[in-house]
Amino acid sequence: KQEVTQIPAALSVPEGENLVLNCSFTDSAIYNLQWFRQDPGKGLTSLLLIQSSQREQTSGRLNASLDKSSGRSTLYIAASQPGDSATYLCAVITGGVGTASKLTFGTGTRLQVTL
Amino acid sequence: KAGVTQTPRYLIKTRGQQVTLSCSPISGHRSVSWYQQTPGQGLQFLFEYFSETQRNKGNFPGRFSGRQFSNSRSEMNVSTLELGDSALYLCASSLKGTVFLRTTNEKLFFGSGTQLSVL
Repeated sequence: KQEVTQIPAALSVPEGENLVLNCSFTDSAIYNLQWFRQDPGKGLTSLLLIQSSQREQTSGRLNASLDKSSGRSTLYIAASQPGDSATYLCAVITGGVGTASKLTFGTGTRLQVTL
Repeated sequence: KAGVTQTPRYLIKTRGQQVTLSCSPISGHRSVSWYQQTPGQGLQFLFEYFSETQRNKGNFPGRFSGRQFSNSRSEMNVSTLELGDSALYLCASSLKGTVFLRTTNEKLFFGSGTQLSVL
């Protein structure tokens, strides 16, 4: 059974700091990994998607890396801003039953960026 | 282009009642999947529909059911509500279904959710 863990569970940093969020998964047989952002009481917004054949993806101040063999992914946020405050979730995609895929979400990291 | 719309935004019910939640996907998207989010269990997959057919189902009791209409709008129903059903229920839409998430850059687009409180 795939288990996805995110460390730390919560993080508070001052504005401008660079930070790294971690995601670990137990079964390396994944198709890809996706990072999401969730604001309080809201849905998820997709940030980055990394295919299993890729090592990293970048979007603006965000960089996500994937080491499939070790079951790890990191999300790097450069020059953090108060607007980055949210919960960040990773999700791995594996083969599901029939024609569906199975998404397993991590436990999330709650980030607060202070002024 | 309008995003994924979920209604209602908030619901308060009592134990034993039933509830129906609605999800309208992005125009042109044919796949809708449902998730339950609680502080203790995190995000858990409920089921996925594509072209009115249920493709996959998570490990939830039969009290949880869903359906999809010909216009791709989806509803989920929870009967005989229990206190533990209190959660944020999220739906997500995608163009071709989650099977295509395996090998393409297709993404899931989530609605803002329905916050259900069972008293």
